[in-house]
Amino acid sequence: NAGVMQNPRHLVRRRGQEARLRCSPMKGHSHVYWYRQLPEEGLKFMVYLQKENIIDESGMPKERFSAEFPKEGPSILRIQQVVRGDSAAYFCASSGRGSGANVLTFGAGSRLTVL
Amino acid sequence: QKEVEQNSGPLSVPEGAIASLNCTYSDRGSQSFFWYRQYSGKSPELIMFIYSNGDKEDGRFTAQLNKASQYVSLLIRDSQPSDSATYLCAVWTNQAGTALIFGKGTTLSVSS
Repeated sequence: NAGVMQNPRHLVRRRGQEARLRCSPMKGHSHVYWYRQLPEEGLKFMVYLQKENIIDESGMPKERFSAEFPKEGPSILRIQQVVRGDSAAYFCASSGRGSGANVLTFGAGSRLTVL
Repeated sequence: QKEVEQNSGPLSVPEGAIASLNCTYSDRGSQSFFWYRQYSGKSPELIMFIYSNGDKEDGRFTAQLNKASQYVSLLIRDSQPSDSATYLCAVWTNQAGTALIFGKGTTLSVSS
C-alpha cells in the first residue's frame, strides 16, 4: 500500500545547476499538488496538476520553475539555475478528486540544499 | 491580506491538559477545513477535517467550525508529549484558485 513517493529525499546542488524532483501519487490518485516549505515557514502552494495538464500554477515563480505530470511516469518539478533561496523542502501531495472536499496525502518530501 | 492565520506559538501545556489551537481564514466562501500535524523534519499528516458548523470529534481530537466568524479550532484532550508538533490549519479557498491553503502553523509543546 504505497503512499505518495517522492525522490530524491535529499538533493544537493551548486548555484546554477538544475534540480529535478519526482513524485508518484498514491495508487488511484490522479491529482498532484506541489508545495514548498522554507525553514520556519508554512507550506506554500506552487502548482496543481492532473495527468498531462497543469490546472493551477498560480503559486509557481514566474522564472526557472516548471512542472509536468506526463501520461506515463511521475510528476516532475524542475528548477533551473538554482539559487540559494531555492533551498527548501518540497512536498508533493495527491488526491483522488479535484478541489473542494478532497483530502491531500503528502509524500515524505524532497529537501533541496543549494550550495 | 493573509488567507489563513494561526498564532505561531509556542503553545506550552502540561501532560494531561487540553490544548486549544485556533485558526482564522479570510475567504467567506470556503467550505472545507483541515488540520494537519507536522513533526520536525517530517511531512504533514492529516488529523481531521470538518465541513459543517459545530463540533466534530475523533478520539482525543475535536475540531470546531464557526463559518460566521470565519474561525476553526482544534482541541486536543489529555495532551501527551507525543502530541508535541506543529499543527497546520488548511482551508480550501477560491481566492487562490484550486489549492489547499495552509497557515504557518502553531507549535505545541507538551511537557511531562
